[in-house]
Amino acid sequence: DIQMTQSPSTLSASVGDRVTITCRASQSISNWLAWYQQKPGKAPKLLIYKASSLESGVPSRFSGSGSGTEFTLTISSLQPDDFATFYCLQYNSYWTFGQGTKVEIK
Amino acid sequence: EVQLVESGGDLVQPGGSLRLSCAASGFTFSTYVMSWVRQAPGKGLEWVSSINARGGSTYYADSVKGRFTISRDNSENTLYLQMDSLRVEDTAVYYCAKVGVVGVIWNWFDPWGQGTLVTVSS
Repeated sequence: DIQMTQSPSTLSASVGDRVTITCRASQSISNWLAWYQQKPGKAPKLLIYKASSLESGVPSRFSGSGSGTEFTLTISSLQPDDFATFYCLQYNSYWTFGQGTKVEIK
Repeated sequence: EVQLVESGGDLVQPGGSLRLSCAASGFTFSTYVMSWVRQAPGKGLEWVSSINARGGSTYYADSVKGRFTISRDNSENTLYLQMDSLRVEDTAVYYCAKVGVVGVIWNWFDPWGQGTLVTVSS
């Protein structure tokens, strides 16, 4: 089974900050990785697929990078609407989510 | 517009059974892999089960294998999850999700339904 280790678990940041979240896979998953944003009481929303492809309608301040076992989600300038929990998902073999990163207001 | 609407969540006793449904619209249901993902209260996301487009291949997380059964009715555009021998730790919001690309099994989930709450408690 492929394990996904996401860090940090919590992140305190201010509006305008650059934010980076990392996911590490226990084995190579090529670029078969997606990123999601989830707000309380809502379903997750797709941000990035295939490690770096931006989903239609998602603001360009979100970007993804990485391949193999190391991946990052970057928010270039944090906006008030971005405070939420973010998850990575590997879909190379079956499906495994990271533990989540809660982005809080500093 | 793609829509996924789950139903069937309820309060059930440990050892009991429940069947969840997910009504799909806005896309050609019979050509996409479909999945169930759950989220325990205050916890992260956990993939539960997936089924290929024609229903002939099914996949399960170890935590539910042998207790849950995924199925689909392509004539009714509906996905199901039969949940037997339920445990307290199965308490969660259950989401159905469409797998992103036509006919491809290993792919991202998008979109998701709004979820239905299953509570297992005596």
